[in-house]
Amino acid sequence: KAGVTQTPRYLIKTRGQQVTLSCSPISGHRSVSWYQQTPGQGLQFLFEYFSETQRNKGNFPGRFSGRQFSNSRSEMNVSTLELGDSALYLCASSLVPGSSTDTQYFGPGTRLTVL
Amino acid sequence: AQSVTQLGSHVSVSEGALVLLRCNYSSSVPPYLFWYVQYPNQGLQLLLKYTTGATLVKGINGFEAEFKKSETSFHLTKPSAHMSDAAEYFCAVTDNTDKLIFGTGTRLQVFP
Repeated sequence: KAGVTQTPRYLIKTRGQQVTLSCSPISGHRSVSWYQQTPGQGLQFLFEYFSETQRNKGNFPGRFSGRQFSNSRSEMNVSTLELGDSALYLCASSLVPGSSTDTQYFGPGTRLTVL
Repeated sequence: AQSVTQLGSHVSVSEGALVLLRCNYSSSVPPYLFWYVQYPNQGLQLLLKYTTGATLVKGINGFEAEFKKSETSFHLTKPSAHMSDAAEYFCAVTDNTDKLIFGTGTRLQVFP
């Protein structure tokens, strides 16, 4: 079974631009979560989608948004990029949230560099 | 609110030596606890998790962790380190909304 895939793997943007990252979950998984990883702040939760609805949201500004499609694939968008948005963005999928057996499986990440 | 503390941002061991990576959690509800490993330029890979039941959890690659409620700890151990174990290790807890709350990570170095 294929794992979580993320595209693109690497991205370079300039300040003020916007970017869209894509995540395809493991087949059959319906929940997708996004995390930001930076050297300074570590791993921080962005948001979670389940059945095309945002179920959870972390403490990030409104410039960060996401959505989930009917096939469970998810995208996240960052508008008006800032230098501090440079990070590894990780996507994780799980079968169904809220279950004691629920485990999040991570993709390889998208490395975003903002110049 | 739930939180995780990983003691020691860097741990160095010799090949064949015991690996001990420390994790303490703070939780107001029974926690679900996880250990993930991250190799350079890769995502996170689940090593093991504790949900309920047996407090000694065995994971992949010979790692195990013991949930100690009285000490609010979930330390990761491996009896004999291998060069391939060199990576960054993250302890995590889920809060009552199921999102993962990560510790700051411990980088493990293994010397020959």
